[in-house]
Amino acid sequence: NAGVTQTPKFQVLKTGQSMTLQCAQDMNHEYMSWYRQDPGMGLRLIHYSVGAGITDQGEVPNGYNVSRSTTEDFPLRLLSAAPSQTSVYFCASSVQGNSNQPQHFGDGTRLSIL
Amino acid sequence: AQKITQTQPGMFVQEKEAVTLDCTYDTSDQSYGLFWYKQPSSGEMIFLIYQGSYDEQNATEGRYSLNFQKARKSANLVISASQLGDSAMYFCAMRDPRGGYQKVTFGIGTKLQVIP
Repeated sequence: NAGVTQTPKFQVLKTGQSMTLQCAQDMNHEYMSWYRQDPGMGLRLIHYSVGAGITDQGEVPNGYNVSRSTTEDFPLRLLSAAPSQTSVYFCASSVQGNSNQPQHFGDGTRLSIL
Repeated sequence: AQKITQTQPGMFVQEKEAVTLDCTYDTSDQSYGLFWYKQPSSGEMIFLIYQGSYDEQNATEGRYSLNFQKARKSANLVISASQLGDSAMYFCAMRDPRGGYQKVTFGIGTKLQVIP
């Protein structure tokens, strides 16, 4: 049972480069989210999706783009990488519901922007 | 605005002792869910325990319990009989009706170290 799979696990980019962080889940979860984790700041929501074709912005969406063409996949695109985007990125999924659904997290992608 | 406050950057506990990690929250919604996650040094996020805003009893999951005081807007995590493997970061989080309960707010975390 793979759960939530994130690739790559580590990545180093140069300022201005673009890249896509991949996230896939095999639990048929409707809800998927992207977070970034920075020291002393906890996890902050970047973008989220409540189903295929539906996405919305979270707390810190600037510089990131998402799409959700299938239930399984929710890629995060960095359009033009900046050093401020150096962070650990987590993808999470959960069953559609109300307040009682825990999120299942991937193992994270550690991204460094030089 | 929704907010989670964890005021203990770091905590130490002796092995086999109990420890309480504090979490207070701020929301104007009546329906919400509170969660605790554990993040060991390996980096993954592990769901520990859930408490719903309408739950009258405190949640328990094995050695984890949640001391829920709704009027004070606090949801403290209690770990009984601490083990060395409990050393980790612990995050309190709240799921509320924004975005169909999809927007989750996290606290900044508490680093727990269990001393042998």
